[in-house]
Amino acid sequence: KQEVTQIPAALSVPEGENLVLNCSFTDSAIYNLQWFRQDPGKGLTSLLLIQSSQREQTSGRLNASLDKSSGRSTLYIAASQPGDSATYLCAVRAVTGGGNKLTFGTGTQLKVEL
Amino acid sequence: GAGVSQSPSNKVTEKGKDVELRCDPISGHTALYWYRQSLGQGLEFLIYFQGNSAPDKSGLPSDRFSAERTGGSVSTLTIQRTQQEDSAVYLCASSPGTQRNEQFFGPGTRLTVL
Repeated sequence: KQEVTQIPAALSVPEGENLVLNCSFTDSAIYNLQWFRQDPGKGLTSLLLIQSSQREQTSGRLNASLDKSSGRSTLYIAASQPGDSATYLCAVRAVTGGGNKLTFGTGTQLKVEL
Repeated sequence: GAGVSQSPSNKVTEKGKDVELRCDPISGHTALYWYRQSLGQGLEFLIYFQGNSAPDKSGLPSDRFSAERTGGSVSTLTIQRTQQEDSAVYLCASSPGTQRNEQFFGPGTRLTVL
């Protein structure tokens, strides 16, 4: 059974810092991995999608890497801003079971302070 | 274009009542997914539709839960005889259809069972 873990569970940083969020998964047979952002009381906003054949994806100040063989992904946020404060979730689409669903981590709650 | 929409945004019901939650996917997306987000369990997969059929219902927690999709578009998740443990945010997502595609989420329906 695929399990996804995110570390740390919560993180508080001053504005301007570069930071790294970690995601690990137990079954490396995946189609892809997706990073999401969730603001309080809101749905999920997709940030980046990395296919299993890719090593990284970039969007603006965000960079996500994938090391499928070791079951790890990191989300790098450059020059953090208060508007980045949210919960960040990673999710994998496993081959086992047909690849029909995402299995989510429990998230990292990020607070960027002025 | 329009994203995934869900209604109602909030639903408060009494224990034992039936509820219906609606999802309108992104136009042209053949795949539709329901997930549930609760405090104790995180984000869990419920059911997957490809077109109007549901090849994966493995996440439905009990036979009180059912879902249908009509016209390859709108989906309804029905919970019969609601229980307090059904209280959660129910999220719908859609994607163009293959395992390689990104999933896009709606804002969710917050269900509270009193």
